[in-house]
Amino acid sequence: AQSVAQPEDQVNVAEGNPLTVKCTYSVSGNPYLFWYVQYPNRGLQFLLKYITGDNLVKGSYGFEAEFNKSQTSFHLKKPSALVSDSALYFCAVRPEYSNYQLIWGAGTKLIIKP
Amino acid sequence: EAGVVQSPRYKIIEKKQPVAFWCNPISGHNTLYWYRQNLGQGPELLIRYENEEAVDDSQLPKDRFSAERLKGVDSTLKIQPAELGDSAVYLCASSSGGIPPFFGQGTRLTVV
Repeated sequence: AQSVAQPEDQVNVAEGNPLTVKCTYSVSGNPYLFWYVQYPNRGLQFLLKYITGDNLVKGSYGFEAEFNKSQTSFHLKKPSALVSDSALYFCAVRPEYSNYQLIWGAGTKLIIKP
Repeated sequence: EAGVVQSPRYKIIEKKQPVAFWCNPISGHNTLYWYRQNLGQGPELLIRYENEEAVDDSQLPKDRFSAERLKGVDSTLKIQPAELGDSAVYLCASSSGGIPPFFGQGTRLTVV
């Protein structure tokens, strides 16, 4: 079965330190990959996507993500965390055969401590 | 550009009562999605519309859930009757020409 895994329920990082939120997937073919962020009592906000090309993609709010095909991973990163980055982060994958289906991870709660 | 607008933001109802959610997608977006998100989980698709046609409703519990998108713009999602297990956040999203979808703020439903 196709799936997306976010192995960490929660990630704690000190402000100013680099952060990584992990995502791995099990989807056939060449999927599209996405990251969304959800702040408390807010909807999901699109951060960035990988479709093809450079393995390092840049998105909103200084976030970037690195695609690794051999490891089937798409980890979200930021060089210097802000307290305001504290939120819930979701990885999602679109299978190659579908224009619309998204397979979602369970989410990772990111806590940035001052 | 205005985003996806949903109302109400919060709703508390007693079980067995009906409830309806409304969504106004981003102008020009022909694809509209309704998702349900339980606490600590990713969203799960309930139904997808292409204009006014429901093209994927395989995950919609049709015994109690219904949806419509008249004129291919606004959409409503209804639950009748509501059950305790329906407590969740209901998210509407829209897109044009595929994904990624853009989400509204959601309606948090509490069934008591």
